[in-house]
Amino acid sequence: AQTIHQWPVAEIKAVGSPLSLGCTIKGKSSPNLYWYWQATGGTLQQLFYSITVGQVESVVQLNLSASRPKDDQFILSTEKLLLSHSGFYLCAWSPGHLNERLFFGHGTKLSVL
Amino acid sequence: GEKVEQHESTLSVREGDSAVINCTYTDTASSYFPWYKQEAGKGLHFVIDIRSNVDRKQSQRLIVLLDKKAKRFSLHITATQPEDSAIYFCAASSGGSNAKLTFGKGTKLSVKS
Repeated sequence: AQTIHQWPVAEIKAVGSPLSLGCTIKGKSSPNLYWYWQATGGTLQQLFYSITVGQVESVVQLNLSASRPKDDQFILSTEKLLLSHSGFYLCAWSPGHLNERLFFGHGTKLSVL
Repeated sequence: GEKVEQHESTLSVREGDSAVINCTYTDTASSYFPWYKQEAGKGLHFVIDIRSNVDRKQSQRLIVLLDKKAKRFSLHITATQPEDSAIYFCAASSGGSNAKLTFGKGTKLSVKS
């Protein structure tokens, strides 16, 4: 069975500090990987997606970057946090076909102060 | 790009009654419509989906209807139970290599016993 693990569960960070969030998928080779952001009480917005190792596509510009260093790992990061980065970050994977369901991780709650 | 509107921001029903959540979309090319459930502080959990080649799908107490002409789809939860209480998100996929899902803003469903 496939599992998805996100870390950390929650972060409280200062404005201007760096950030790194991670996601690991086990039990599925070559998944499509996604990062979503959910503002408090809001809807989900896709930030990045990756179809293969080393290739990441940006969907919206939020002064964030993403990388896929391994087939099963997706990293979201920034060198300088903004207040507007606060929210809930969700990693997800899909089997790699068009229009297939997404499987989400439990999310990381980020508070930027 | 695709826009998904979720008409009910909150919905309150009595245990045993049915709950209906309605969504509309704008992109006629959308062909995949999943629903997700989110409990407080947690990630999204897949509930049910429907593809554009059918207009009705049922899974136990859940029914999804799709009206392609009106660009409208809906989730019907029959015989509601307190554990159905959560935020429900509808989404639509406009296809493409990243299978990008556009989400509605969510409906907070409360089932009162």
